[in-house]
Amino acid sequence: AQTVTQSQPEMSVQEAETVTLSCTYDTSESDYYLFWYKQPPSRQMILVIRQEAYKQQNATENRFSVNFQKAAKSFSLKISDSQLGDAAMYFCALVAIGDMRFGAGTRLTVKP
Amino acid sequence: GAVVSQHPSWVICKSGTSVKIECRSLDFQATTMFWYRQFPKQSLMLMATSNEGSKATYEQGVEKDKFLINHASLTLSTLTVTSAHPEDSSFYICSALSTRRSYNEQFFGPGTRLTVL
Repeated sequence: AQTVTQSQPEMSVQEAETVTLSCTYDTSESDYYLFWYKQPPSRQMILVIRQEAYKQQNATENRFSVNFQKAAKSFSLKISDSQLGDAAMYFCALVAIGDMRFGAGTRLTVKP
Repeated sequence: GAVVSQHPSWVICKSGTSVKIECRSLDFQATTMFWYRQFPKQSLMLMATSNEGSKATYEQGVEKDKFLINHASLTLSTLTVTSAHPEDSSFYICSALSTRRSYNEQFFGPGTRLTVL
């Protein structure tokens, strides 16, 4: 079975500061993909960043980067220079055998 | 590219009626589409996997006779909520897996808010 755990229901960050959202997962598959999605109040799911398990290098997309620790099955998201528009629900997701499993989500608040 | 639409974006119906939600991949072909349900302040829960030309695969606990899924073409999947009841009120999201992409990324529709009175 594939499981994804996000242990931080809510996080808060000051504008322009850095915040890290945690995610751990479990799968018995050796080939899998990890994603972070953002869901703003519109509820449209927006891909933030993705990581292929076979790649050792951590993915980076502008202000967003991940810390992928394969042995520990950890996949945290770092948001640098936080902006007001970053406020949203963030979901960690795992695709191992076709379907996607989501964590419970972390609600990020950005304080001006 | 990789745009997925859903129609309608919101619907209100009476208890006992059926509602159909459409999910379309607008600029790519999708052999596989997924249907999710999201309750307020909760995560997305996979309901079923829809494969073009074959029967959908339902997650445990999802009534296949209540949530009818039809994936008749490479760009369209439909979810019909039959004999809807107030407890079926939720936000339904579809996603599509592009045949062109190799990293299993799903492209999500904007969702459909269903309210059953």
